Amino acid sequence: DTGVSQDPRHKITKRGQNVTFRCDPISEHNRLYWYRQTLGQGPEFLTYFQNEAQLEKSRLLSDRFSAERPKGSFSTLEIQRTEQGDSAMYLCASSSSRGSSTDTQYFGPGTRLTVL
Amino acid sequence: AQSVSQHNHHVILSEAASLELGCNYSYGGTVNLFWYVQYPGQHLQLLLKYFSGDPLVKGIKGFEAEFIKSKFSFNLRKPSVQWSDTAEYFCAVNYSGKLIFGTGTRLQVFP
Repeated sequence: DTGVSQDPRHKITKRGQNVTFRCDPISEHNRLYWYRQTLGQGPEFLTYFQNEAQLEKSRLLSDRFSAERPKGSFSTLEIQRTEQGDSAMYLCASSSSRGSSTDTQYFGPGTRLTVL
Repeated sequence: AQSVSQHNHHVILSEAASLELGCNYSYGGTVNLFWYVQYPGQHLQLLLKYFSGDPLVKGIKGFEAEFIKSKFSFNLRKPSVQWSDTAEYFCAVNYSGKLIFGTGTRLQVFP
């Protein structure tokens, strides 16, 4: 399968614990995005990378959230000291910029986080 | 702030009925527009996209959308829906590299 993959697919944790999600983009894509989706809403942008550089972070991304893409390939999203409000589906997408902003993002299956 | 509005939150149709889902966006510059679909238990999939050129774009599974710049709209249409079109549909605009999504429209098609 050459699509975007995410791991784990489901995560249940207790409030206050740290969690880390992984995203593997489509291999030739240099851009990688993280979104969050809650019930009844469309996905909301969190952050994105071009290669290993994190180019933009949403104001939704509090200090408890950190994302990395150390080698410009896979990315991790860590949430520290989880809160019940962090419960959501975390989506990863990737695209190829080719020097243009008119790229198309392809999404992975998501990681569903439940904070008890 | 840039935003996308989807007016129909829940649409119920019988098979063979025609479909039109509304989408309006607030961004006034050059836009790239998308419709994504999420079938039950599956991830978001690209249905169609508009970057430039012919404002009537065709996508997969018989869907099409029309970009009307003067109305800031990008409505999705299908002349005859099937039971398999039951899904959630999201309109999105690309703003500075990131996607801004609408809240989605849940479509239920009954045989």
